[in-house]
Amino acid sequence: AQTVTQSQPEMSVQEAETVTLSCTYDTSESNYYLFWYKQPPSRQMILVIRQEAYKQQNATENRFSVNFQKAAKSFSLKISDSQLGDTAMYFCAFWPTSGSRLTFGEGTQLTVNP
Amino acid sequence: EAQVTQNPRYLITVTGKKLTVTCSQNMNHEYMSWYRQDPGLGLRQIYYSMNVEVTDKGDVPEGYKVSRKEKRNFPLILESPSPNQTSLYFCASSLREGFNEQFFGPGTRLTVL
Repeated sequence: AQTVTQSQPEMSVQEAETVTLSCTYDTSESNYYLFWYKQPPSRQMILVIRQEAYKQQNATENRFSVNFQKAAKSFSLKISDSQLGDTAMYFCAFWPTSGSRLTFGEGTQLTVNP
Repeated sequence: EAQVTQNPRYLITVTGKKLTVTCSQNMNHEYMSWYRQDPGLGLRQIYYSMNVEVTDKGDVPEGYKVSRKEKRNFPLILESPSPNQTSLYFCASSLREGFNEQFFGPGTRLTVL
């Protein structure tokens, strides 16, 4: 069974600064997909970024980028130029290519302060 | 508008009173699933369906039932709700399993007294 761990329950950052959210996972699979979803106060779940494990290059989506370290089983999310609208709960998630289920971490509540 | 809808959005009920939470998507997605969200636990998958008439258990299926008679609908049934099923529930769908983006419904806040 796969597990996903987000060791930072809460984080805060000043507007315009950079913040990194941590995620580690445990799996015996060699190929899988990794995701970051955000959940703002509206409760709506929104995909932020995703990464295929067989791709060495880290994914980037505008101000959001990941640091994927396959050997360390680490998948951190970096948010640059933080904005007030980035305030949300962020969830890391894992999907093995051999499986049919998405496993989420516990979440990190990020607050962007003005 | 492409979306996943859930009803009701809020529900307060009593122990043992059967209830159904509906989920519908208009994107012709094959994969659908149900999650519950609890503080400190993230989202945990209850059931999923890879296509019509194909369903399987997720991580926390006890006390829940699902059916997938039509591609667009995936209702969640609680035959005899108990207080430990008080939670925030999300339905989600994607084109297929795997790397595809999961589209989530707005959530259903369920309280069982």
